[in-house]
Amino acid sequence: GDSVTQMEGPVTLSEEAFLTINCTYTATGYPSLFWYVQYPGEGLQLLLKATKADDKGSNKGFEATYRKETTSFHLEKGSVQVSDSAVYFCAFTGANSKLTFGKGITLSVRP
Amino acid sequence: DTAVSQTPKYLVTQMGNDKSIKCEQNLGHDTMYWYKQDSKKFLKIMFSYNNKELIINETVPNRFSPKSPDKAHLNLHINSLELGDSAVYFCASSQNPRLAGETQYFGPGTRLLVL
Repeated sequence: GDSVTQMEGPVTLSEEAFLTINCTYTATGYPSLFWYVQYPGEGLQLLLKATKADDKGSNKGFEATYRKETTSFHLEKGSVQVSDSAVYFCAFTGANSKLTFGKGITLSVRP
Repeated sequence: DTAVSQTPKYLVTQMGNDKSIKCEQNLGHDTMYWYKQDSKKFLKIMFSYNNKELIINETVPNRFSPKSPDKAHLNLHINSLELGDSAVYFCASSQNPRLAGETQYFGPGTRLLVL
């Protein structure tokens, strides 16, 4: 069935380090792909998205490219900040229009 | 102005009680959702309504009953609360989930603790 697999966490990085969070999906058809972020004590908010193969979503220095051949949507940022500490969720909407989430990964950035 | 709001933010109650969580969106969206986030942060959809009509009903105990008085509101009523119902419940909305890349907007969550 439809599913999202994210790398295991938590992840702890020093400020200005490079970030990669892996995400792969299993879905029928041509899903839209998303990264949502949840800051401490808050609800989820959209970080970026891509709707077709080879599209790159970007926001706040984060990027992810829709790779249909590897069914992946890895999140990257060249230089993380303390304010990026949050939980990151990879997700997709498939043929049934339902948003399916990965397990989420907690990122902690230390000064 | 809060786009998606939920009340209450925190809810502590005893097993066996009945409680409701309210959700309102002022975005003019047609579709609203309820999600449950467990202690490991895993998010799962529970229900979805489009223009007051139920369109998604996942495998959720029938103690949980959503009610949509109008398309801007989707409330969640829970009967006979159990310890395992303790979680964070998120409301969300979107305009048209069938559109590619449609974004869902989430409320701040309601933290339910059943004692």
